[in-house]
Amino acid sequence: DAGVTQSPTHLIKTRGQQVTLRCSPKSGHDTVSWYQQALGQGPQFIFQYYEEEERQRGNFPDRFSGHQFPNYSSELNVNALLLGDSALYLCASSAGFWVQETQYFGPGTRLLVL
Amino acid sequence: GNSVTQMEGPVTLSEEAFLTINCTYTATGYPSLFWYVQYPGEGLQLLLKATKADDKGSNKGFEATYRKETTSFHLEKGSVQVSDSAVYFCALSSYGQNFVFGPGTRLSVLP
Repeated sequence: DAGVTQSPTHLIKTRGQQVTLRCSPKSGHDTVSWYQQALGQGPQFIFQYYEEEERQRGNFPDRFSGHQFPNYSSELNVNALLLGDSALYLCASSAGFWVQETQYFGPGTRLLVL
Repeated sequence: GNSVTQMEGPVTLSEEAFLTINCTYTATGYPSLFWYVQYPGEGLQLLLKATKADDKGSNKGFEATYRKETTSFHLEKGSVQVSDSAVYFCALSSYGQNFVFGPGTRLSVLP
């Protein structure tokens, strides 16, 4: 049973560019959440997708957007990259929209913005 | 809003020592509480959880008890191993709210 997978594992971009990160949820899960983890800090919630709609959003600007596909996989897009966007981006999946369900995390995509 | 506070790290222990990592929370309603562990270069792994007051979560020798009266969920292990070296995150989730994580506590276990 495959767990949560993310691609790519590492990415280097320059300021002003755009990036797309991808996530496939654990089998049987239909809800995907995205987090940003800066170095030495805890994960910060970006947004959550369920039934192909953004259901909840954290305190992140509109430069951060996402999408969920009918097979429950998801993308995170970041436009107009800033140096401060350098972080580990984590995807988590869970069964059902009820957020108290346990979230299972992927290995993350490490983004470096130069 | 909901929040989680963890003891400052890093924590350095000798192998077989007793471990306690403190976690307190602020939340509305009746949150579920979690401990996640992150090994170097990896994502977060669920270590244990508790969904209601007085529940005890346990896994791999780690334990934590959901104490509503003190709004705490302290992580304990009786005898740590070098392989337990990692960053530990306390987290909570309330109905209709997203997960909130603490800042993490780095544990180093020396042989």
